[in-house]
Amino acid sequence: AQSVAQPEDQVNVAEGNPLTVKCTYSVSGNPYLFWYVQYPNRGLQFLLKYITGDNLVKGSYGFEAEFNKSQTSFHLKKPSALVSDSALYFCAVRDRDRDDKIIFGKGTRLHILP
Amino acid sequence: DSGVTQTPKHLITATGQRVTLRCSPRSGDLSVYWYQQSLDQGLQFLIQYYNGEERAKGNILERFSAQQFPDLHSELNLSSLELGDSALYFCASSPRGQGVRYGYTFGSGTRLTVV
Repeated sequence: AQSVAQPEDQVNVAEGNPLTVKCTYSVSGNPYLFWYVQYPNRGLQFLLKYITGDNLVKGSYGFEAEFNKSQTSFHLKKPSALVSDSALYFCAVRDRDRDDKIIFGKGTRLHILP
Repeated sequence: DSGVTQTPKHLITATGQRVTLRCSPRSGDLSVYWYQQSLDQGLQFLIQYYNGEERAKGNILERFSAQQFPDLHSELNLSSLELGDSALYFCASSPRGQGVRYGYTFGSGTRLTVV
């Protein structure tokens, strides 16, 4: 069965510094990987996805993520954090060789300190 | 506006009661997914419908049921409610069922409070 682990419940970063939100996954087949962001009292918004091809994926709001097959990781990164990036971030995986439900991690709360 | 509409936005009800949550998917999307978000469990997949038929089932309690209607809207029915059912319930939609390469579009959720 597929699963996603986000090892950090919370990440604190000073504004202007680079940020990384970690994610590792487990699937029996090949993965589709996603990052979503949730702002307070809102639904989840799609940030970026890895389907195939280039391991470095660029998404919305200056975020990017790197797919590492050997480490089964898909960490979210941004070179320079903004206070407005403060939100709850979810990593998600779908096993492309099975059904199409997406399994989400428990989320990482990102605090950008001014 | 994501295009996925969920009603109501907020719901307060008593233990033992039954409620129905409604979701209208984005225009053209055939698949609907229901998720439950609670503080301690994160985002849990409940159930998926594709073009009116149940496609996948997750950690959905027997007290919960869902269906998708011919106009593709979906309803999640929660019965014999318990305090622990208090959560944010999300609906998401996607263009197709099996084989889809894309992520989902989420609604803004229904916050259920059981008192």
